Amino acid sequence: QQQVKQSPQSLIVQKGGISIINCAYENTAFDYFPWYQQFPGKGPALLIAIRPDVSEKKEGRFTISFNKSAKQFSLHIMDSQPGDSATYFCAASIKIGSGYSTLTFGKGTMLLVSP
Amino acid sequence: DGGITQSPKYLFRKEGQNVTLSCEQNLNHDAMYWYRQDPGQGLRLIYYSQIVNDFQKGDIAEGYSVSREKKESFPLTVTSAQKNPTAFYLCASSIGAFYGYTFGSGTRLTVV
Repeated sequence: QQQVKQSPQSLIVQKGGISIINCAYENTAFDYFPWYQQFPGKGPALLIAIRPDVSEKKEGRFTISFNKSAKQFSLHIMDSQPGDSATYFCAASIKIGSGYSTLTFGKGTMLLVSP
Repeated sequence: DGGITQSPKYLFRKEGQNVTLSCEQNLNHDAMYWYRQDPGQGLRLIYYSQIVNDFQKGDIAEGYSVSREKKESFPLTVTSAQKNPTAFYLCASSIGAFYGYTFGSGTRLTVV
């Protein structure tokens, strides 16, 4: 069964600190790994994504680290701010033909950044 | 502005009733998806469609039905066969693999 395991379930970080969320997968057919950010009552929004041929991708304060051999990837949020308080989902994509894919999501991490 | 519109935002259903959740996009995306979100469970795929008049079951399709008569629209019907329908339902669309999804703002369905 396709699964993506995400940890921790919840995380409290002080303002200015580093938030780290980890994910692991089993299916080596996954070929694209996005992270989504969701605020209460809203739909998830794409934050950053990586392909397995790259070990790290950085966009502003957000960095994905990818370890293909360990089948693990993580999101690092540098200089965490109260506005980053949200639920974060990792996901893994698998092709379904004709150039499209479906996403399998982790169960989410609730991040609270304290002022 | 391009995006995905889900309606209604809140929906209440009596047990035994079918309800239809609307999803419309003006992004010109071919692929559309329905996910269900429960607390602590992440997002689980219900149905997806790559082109008009074609759709496939996802991981939890039982008790749900969809149609794709127009590229812009992908309504989801929650039938009385769905035993635990109370959840947050999210519609998404995609332009293709490696581009991620654009999500709507969701519909919260409550069975009363």
